[in-house]
Amino acid sequence: EPEVTQTPSHQVTQMGQEVILRCVPISNHLYFYWYRQILGQKVEFLVSFYNNEISEKSEIFDDQFSVERPDGSNFTLKIRSTKLEDSAMYFCASSAWESSDNEQFFGPGTRLTVL
Amino acid sequence: LAKTTQPISMDSYEGQEVNITCSHNNIATNDYITWYQQFPSQGPRFIIQGYKTKVTNEVASLFIPADRKSSTLSLPRVSLSDTAVYYCLVGDRRTGGFKTIFGAGTRLFVKA
Repeated sequence: EPEVTQTPSHQVTQMGQEVILRCVPISNHLYFYWYRQILGQKVEFLVSFYNNEISEKSEIFDDQFSVERPDGSNFTLKIRSTKLEDSAMYFCASSAWESSDNEQFFGPGTRLTVL
Repeated sequence: LAKTTQPISMDSYEGQEVNITCSHNNIATNDYITWYQQFPSQGPRFIIQGYKTKVTNEVASLFIPADRKSSTLSLPRVSLSDTAVYYCLVGDRRTGGFKTIFGAGTRLFVKA
């Protein structure tokens, strides 16, 4: 069964450093998403991406964040200058067609720890 | 986006049927109701989606009354492995922008 993969599984970084979280969505999917989940809290939407551009973004997704689909398979989330409060689990998801509640397939997540 | 309200937590025993109700009083005509499940340290997983009446798949059933202001996820004969957080989401399947909002969810704890 096809699945979304994410690397690394755990990233530790120093405050102020840039990090890039990588995702490989399911191959025939066209819609891509990033979410984050601070430990013990709910899943928070960050951004959705379609046709090489951002479709929607939340208030969390400020200028420190950017997304990119550099090639036909990867989807990345970059945090330019990490803060302590960026420590969270980051989930990538993809879906096959346009709709806010069509089935989204989530990856296993990247745990980001900012020291 | 319609706001959803769910119980914060529920307890059950193995083999019982569990019903989790979600309120969405401001649901719009084009909105669908979707449920996701999340285990600790994993990403959410789609369970079921519906628009009205009843939907059933191999995992769960979803009951939606005629006014669609609430919905009930029914898990038949739960096992310990069904211990998870269950999220109810409401949104328009047809909009080009898809800002998926998860609420706090319902934490289901299944006991032996």
